[in-house]
Amino acid sequence: GENVEQHPSTLSVQEGDSAVIKCTYSDSASNYFPWYKQELGKRPQLIIDIRSNVGEKKDQRIAVTLNKTAKHFSLHITETQPEDSAVYFCAASRGSQGNLIFGKGTKLSVKP
Amino acid sequence: GAVVSQHPSRVICKSGTSVKIECRSLDFQATTMFWYRQFPKQSLMLMATSNEGSKATYEQGVEKDKFLINHASLTLSTLTVTSAHPEDSSFYICSARPSAQGGNSPLHFGNGTRLTVT
Repeated sequence: GENVEQHPSTLSVQEGDSAVIKCTYSDSASNYFPWYKQELGKRPQLIIDIRSNVGEKKDQRIAVTLNKTAKHFSLHITETQPEDSAVYFCAASRGSQGNLIFGKGTKLSVKP
Repeated sequence: GAVVSQHPSRVICKSGTSVKIECRSLDFQATTMFWYRQFPKQSLMLMATSNEGSKATYEQGVEKDKFLINHASLTLSTLTVTSAHPEDSSFYICSARPSAQGGNSPLHFGNGTRLTVT
């Protein structure tokens, strides 16, 4: 089955710096890769996603890149702000029903 | 749009009792819903895929007789934790996407249920 690896597990940056989180997946049939932000005790919130027919997608300060050949995708956050502090999860969609398999998460801390 | 409502948000029960958690899609129909479990500071682990009108599909290692799933309508799935024990204490979250959208579209999550078994 699908396996998603995520690195790093923790990331601390200064406000204004960029943050990069990387994920790899194992199932070459996976075709959808969302990123979720989860604050303590709350539901995961979708922040950006990318489909397998696209190599890069950007939404203001957030961008995602996908390398299908290498089976890895990355989240890039520029000009980080303290409110970006949270746990970020990558995921890969498995099968026709689109089961999402999640990475282990990255705790991002943005220091003012 | 695409709101998923989950109840209760918190529940405390005694060991040996059963607890039912409801997941509703408020403004869309969902043929399929997904149940996840999350331990503190850990990732979301897929427990099962709930299918409207048919049996749920459980992930390896998840006891189907322990975690009963019923998906009786296109807007409601329930998870019942039977004979709960302290090790079942966790954060349970459901998710769904509109039936009209394919598997490569966003999943929307409920607020989750914090279960504590004493």
